[in-house]
Amino acid sequence: EVQLVESGGGLVQPGGSLRLSCAASVFTFSSYAMSWVRQAPGKGLEWVSAISGRGTNTYYAASVKGRFTISRDNSKNILYLQMNSLRAEDTAVYYCAKAPPSVIAYFDYWGQGTLVTVSS
Amino acid sequence: EIVMTQSPATLSVSPGERATLSCRASQSISNNLAWYQQKPGQAPRLLIYGASTRATGIPARFSGSGSGTEFTLTISSLQSEDFAVYYCQQYNNWPPWTFGQGTKVEIK
Repeated sequence: EVQLVESGGGLVQPGGSLRLSCAASVFTFSSYAMSWVRQAPGKGLEWVSAISGRGTNTYYAASVKGRFTISRDNSKNILYLQMNSLRAEDTAVYYCAKAPPSVIAYFDYWGQGTLVTVSS
Repeated sequence: EIVMTQSPATLSVSPGERATLSCRASQSISNNLAWYQQKPGQAPRLLIYGASTRATGIPARFSGSGSGTEFTLTISSLQSEDFAVYYCQQYNNWPPWTFGQGTKVEIK
């Protein structure tokens, strides 16, 4: 069974930084694109960022472009999200999600999520 | 950006009854649509992709239909474990990959 385990969430002040990690197992990590999707408390799902299998292509939502950076270490099977200049509206549960083979399309496996709270 | 609109926001259904959820795209997305189920405190789970293909392990009571701009998720006979929030998501024009706002299926 595919496993995705996020970590790195926590409480951070506005303007601060945080790096999320997602450890993947039980699949050939480098063969699949990955994404981060977030969910503000009591709200719906919002796609945040995506990265191709080899890491050569990255994509960002307009709301985080220029502040967040997605990356991956295929030798360690880990996905990252570096979040800078954090705002209150970035408060959410952040999920990492795996794409199906060959394309960034839907999300077939999800981690359990990690909570990021931006507050003074 | 393609906007996805789900209706209704809340659907009250009795166990054993049929539930029909709708999802509309602001422009044609062919059949590039997925449905997810999310229970409180849990991550979303993929139910349907390609508008009508069930994901691995998804019971046959879940079915999807539609193409273009109008889509439907049908749960033929609601079980207790089906009461949850359901989201649609388009992957025809990206980025961004966009979700609907969700439909909550609650016990009547």
